[in-house]
Amino acid sequence: NAGVTQTPKFQVLKTGQSMTLQCAQDMNHNSMYWYRQDPGMGLRLIYYSASEGTTDKGEVPNGYNVSRLNKREFSLRLESAAPSQTSVYFCASSELARGPYNEQFFGPGTRLTVL
Amino acid sequence: KNEVEQSPQNLTAQEGEFITINCSYSVGISALHWLQQHPGGGIVSLFMLSSGKKKHGRLIATINIQEKHSSLHITASHPRDSAVYICALDYGGATNKLIFGTGTLLAVQP
Repeated sequence: NAGVTQTPKFQVLKTGQSMTLQCAQDMNHNSMYWYRQDPGMGLRLIYYSASEGTTDKGEVPNGYNVSRLNKREFSLRLESAAPSQTSVYFCASSELARGPYNEQFFGPGTRLTVL
Repeated sequence: KNEVEQSPQNLTAQEGEFITINCSYSVGISALHWLQQHPGGGIVSLFMLSSGKKKHGRLIATINIQEKHSSLHITASHPRDSAVYICALDYGGATNKLIFGTGTLLAVQP
């Protein structure tokens, strides 16, 4: 099992360009999450999908959109990248069916730089 | 808003030392998670606990719900323990959303 995979690992964009970060998990988890990690700050939730077909905003959703393509895949789109979106992006998944709280499994991250 | 605070922010230890990392929070939670982030960036879950104490190998996590405080202990520390240790608050419910601390950077020197 690959767990949670993310592509690309690194990306450099110019201000105003668009791109999509891809995430897939092979653990049959219902819930998926997108976080960003910035120096001196904890991981912050951008968007999450509690189950296939649903998405909701997290703490810092502005400038992003998401698509839960199917149970396995959850993509994050930057429509018009800004330097403030320079960050490391992590995708995670978890299975809530086993209890009220559950371990989240993280992908390896995407390091994005916006010039 | 600082719902969760970790201390210390940075910690340097000699191999073999006993290490304690603290996490204090100000809100009611269902559980608390401890995670490890290695220099390469990967994040793995170490513990989830809602009460008492859990042990895995040389790692021990404790939580005191009344005092809103959790600790992560590493016994007989080793250079391979060098990483960022992150605590996260779990409010439970239908979404499993977490609130993360800023992490403690641990360096264990040989």
